Amino acid sequence: EPEVTQTPSHQVTQMGQEVILRCVPISNHLYFYWYRQILGQKVEFLVSFYNNEISEKSEIFDDQFSVERPDGSNFTLKIRSTKLEDSAMYFCASSELSFNGELFFGEGSRLTVL
Amino acid sequence: GENVGLHLPTLSVQEGDNSIINCAYSNSASDYFIWYKQESGKGPQFIIDIRSNMDKRQGQRVTVLLNKTVKHLSLQIAATQPGDSAVYFCAENRSRNAGGTSYGKLTFGQGTILTVHP
Repeated sequence: EPEVTQTPSHQVTQMGQEVILRCVPISNHLYFYWYRQILGQKVEFLVSFYNNEISEKSEIFDDQFSVERPDGSNFTLKIRSTKLEDSAMYFCASSELSFNGELFFGEGSRLTVL
Repeated sequence: GENVGLHLPTLSVQEGDNSIINCAYSNSASDYFIWYKQESGKGPQFIIDIRSNMDKRQGQRVTVLLNKTVKHLSLQIAATQPGDSAVYFCAENRSRNAGGTSYGKLTFGQGTILTVHP
């Protein structure tokens, strides 16, 4: 069964460092998303991406965040200068068409900022 | 503002019992609702969805009920099994245009921890 894959599974970084989280969405999917989940809290929407541009973003997704689809398979989330409060599990998701139901989530990348 | 939340943070049941997990939402413009299951260390997994033009939808061992009058959503799991133990989230989505196209911006609730005892 096709799945969304994410790397790394866990990254520890120092405050102020840049971090890139990588995702390989399901191959025939056209819509891509990043969500995050701070430990013990609910899953929060960060950004959606379609046709090589951001479709929608939340207030969390400020100038420190960016997304990119550098090639035909990868979808990345970059945090330019990490803060302590960026520590969370980051989930990538994809969907086949304009959202009509199922988002397929990856297993997440845990980011720990020290 | 948007608010999707859960009445009960934890639910413990015996194997074989039926489970009911509840969710309240406050935005009457919400027109699409989804239940996700999240096992420890994994991403959310789609269980079942329902659109606002329906009040009930059934899947395999699961049923989702939507009461738009009181803005309430529930997930019923029949014959609960130990493998059903997980955190269950409701999520809400609103169509962005008249065509119903949305871009996957889900608003998640806090989650209910379901524990199934053998």
